[in-house]
Amino acid sequence: ETGVTQTPRHLVMGMTNKKSLKCEQHLGHNAMYWYKQSAKKPLELMFVYSLEERVENNSVPSRFSPECPNSSHLFLHLHTLQPEDSALYLCASSQDWEGGIDTEAFFGQGTRLTVV
Amino acid sequence: TQLLEQSPQFLSIQEGENLTVYCNSSSVFSSLQWYRQEPGEGPVLLVTVVTGGEVKKLKRLTFQFGDARKDSSLHITAAQPGDTGLYLCAGADGQNFVFGPGTRLSVLP
Repeated sequence: ETGVTQTPRHLVMGMTNKKSLKCEQHLGHNAMYWYKQSAKKPLELMFVYSLEERVENNSVPSRFSPECPNSSHLFLHLHTLQPEDSALYLCASSQDWEGGIDTEAFFGQGTRLTVV
Repeated sequence: TQLLEQSPQFLSIQEGENLTVYCNSSSVFSSLQWYRQEPGEGPVLLVTVVTGGEVKKLKRLTFQFGDARKDSSLHITAAQPGDTGLYLCAGADGQNFVFGPGTRLSVLP
């Protein structure tokens, strides 16, 4: 149990569907992240939220829309995805996001997304 | 953009063997973390190293941070099938927190 919970664990969606991924952390952390992990590729940082404000968006297509309503919850809204968007989507949290000496990320178990 | 390289990319060994995997960068990091990720799960933090030349041991795992804080190694002694997984290094430099591509280790019984 890492303190970061993601739901659902698995999701299959059509290209015209709208779905949302949910992440919840009760570690008292100030920063939350969405990462994409595809086969044979490094973890790709998608979004960073610090104190509920988006601080980084790494050129992610607009079909991915994050939302951080409070410091404990993070959502990733999905709309008109493509098959190449199929991947493991990981949520993480850390005390702060500045990339400082004590930045240690705690990950959820991920959502395995398949777009058909 | 900071980049971390890891080698080897894949490693398959027999139970009981020793192995070392590497994490390298041309940039200096204030700290470096090692994570292990098992199939279908998220990465789990193993260790953080912060001082150049630092060595940390976690049971059969030995982690070393390079003197210049640009590289790190993970040595596993007498590997077991339970060590199988993706080993990721991640570095923090005060502005960014980046992951390497990982080394996928398979320990065969």
